[in-house]
Amino acid sequence: DAKTTQPTSMDCAEGRAANLPCNHSTISGNEYVYWYRQIHSQGPQYIIHGLKNNETNEMASLIITEDRKSSTLILPHATLRDTAVYYCIVRENAGGTSYGKLTFGQGTILTVHP
Amino acid sequence: EAGVTQFPSHSVIEKGQTVTLRCDPISGHDNLYWYRRVMGKEIKFLLHFVKESKQDESGMPNNRFLAERTGGTYSTLKVQPAELEDSGVYFCASSQDFVQWNTEAFFGQGTRLTVV
Repeated sequence: DAKTTQPTSMDCAEGRAANLPCNHSTISGNEYVYWYRQIHSQGPQYIIHGLKNNETNEMASLIITEDRKSSTLILPHATLRDTAVYYCIVRENAGGTSYGKLTFGQGTILTVHP
Repeated sequence: EAGVTQFPSHSVIEKGQTVTLRCDPISGHDNLYWYRRVMGKEIKFLLHFVKESKQDESGMPNNRFLAERTGGTYSTLKVQPAELEDSGVYFCASSQDFVQWNTEAFFGQGTRLTVV
């Protein structure tokens, strides 16, 4: 079972920042937080991941709380093409028994409006 | 650089027939994963190869499913005989390093399987 909890759906206006929350209160010290998204009919697309520090790349920013029990994915300037299902996934690090497999939950359906 | 490629993109077969799905991972990626999404459900892990060896096949639903990765390159997933409940989208993903788990997995576009 997924170890994360996300809102079922969210809306965002085009050009505004989209902030997608995720709760992972049972995360272990050796587990990373990953974000993927799935645009209709495509395969899941990697966005970003982090352990405990905030991370930023060309797609998004990831803010992880100090206790690591929750995180927020930020799309700074959402576009219509960002409409997708966003998955927050806790993934075990090296040495664990899950060998890097991803456990998907229901995700958050983000709809970006004009 | 080519991404993860899956063949075919769509397959429609009759119940009881056999279907073989193929996945070509990104060149040099040791890890290859199979996932699937059946109607209305979440994306579920099926199995994981490290090179040619099956590292974890705990997600394989039953013995009608057989996955191989000959030579540690491409992989096939055979369903024999196919049942109606096997319909769904089958995804393949690959990632680079066995040791460094904090590397991202790249997914293919999936194969949509319809069993009628």
